[in-house]
Amino acid sequence: NAGVTQTPKFRVLKTGQSMTLLCAQDMNHEYMYWYRQDPGMGLRLIHYSVGEGTTAKGEVPDGYNVSRLKKQNFLLGLESAAPSQTSVYFCASGNRGNYGYTFGSGTRLTVV
Amino acid sequence: AQSVTQLGSHVSVSEGALVLLRCNYSSSVPPYLFWYVQYPNQGLQLLLKYTSAATLVKGINGFEAEFKKSETSFHLTKPSAHMSDAAEYFCAVILITGNQFYFGTGTSLTVIP
Repeated sequence: NAGVTQTPKFRVLKTGQSMTLLCAQDMNHEYMYWYRQDPGMGLRLIHYSVGEGTTAKGEVPDGYNVSRLKKQNFLLGLESAAPSQTSVYFCASGNRGNYGYTFGSGTRLTVV
Repeated sequence: AQSVTQLGSHVSVSEGALVLLRCNYSSSVPPYLFWYVQYPNQGLQLLLKYTSAATLVKGINGFEAEFKKSETSFHLTKPSAHMSDAAEYFCAVILITGNQFYFGTGTSLTVIP
């Protein structure tokens, strides 16, 4: 049982490049989330999904897009990376009523 | 709107001493409350959660937390700190009717031998 798997684990981008972060969960969870973690700011919600085919904006959605075409996968896209998007990105998944959400191990992204 | 305040971004305790990490929330209705721990270069791991059952919640690794509605607090405690407790700790809330977690800014715990 792998839980929540994030790929890649590390990435360096140049300003203006695009990339997609993949989150995969094998627990049949309905809800999936993308957070970014920055020093002194805790975790801030970027986008989330409450089911296959649905997505919603979180606290800091600008500059990011997401898709949930399959229940087990939640993709986070950066169309034109900026240095301000340098961060550690975490994916999480869970089900309503059982709030012990499972987190992935993170993707460390640096935009230069 | 929800908010979570963790008092003290850094806390240091001696090995064997009491650990107390503070968390206060603001919410129009009592939310569900959580403590997560993050070890270096890892994701977040659930320590314990309050979901309107007993107000004193016991978690993993000897941690516990008490929900105090009158004080809007959910402080995390452990009677005796161990070196392996050194980590970042996050308090989080979610509304009973909601689906978004709101995290505090975290408290880094250092355990001094």
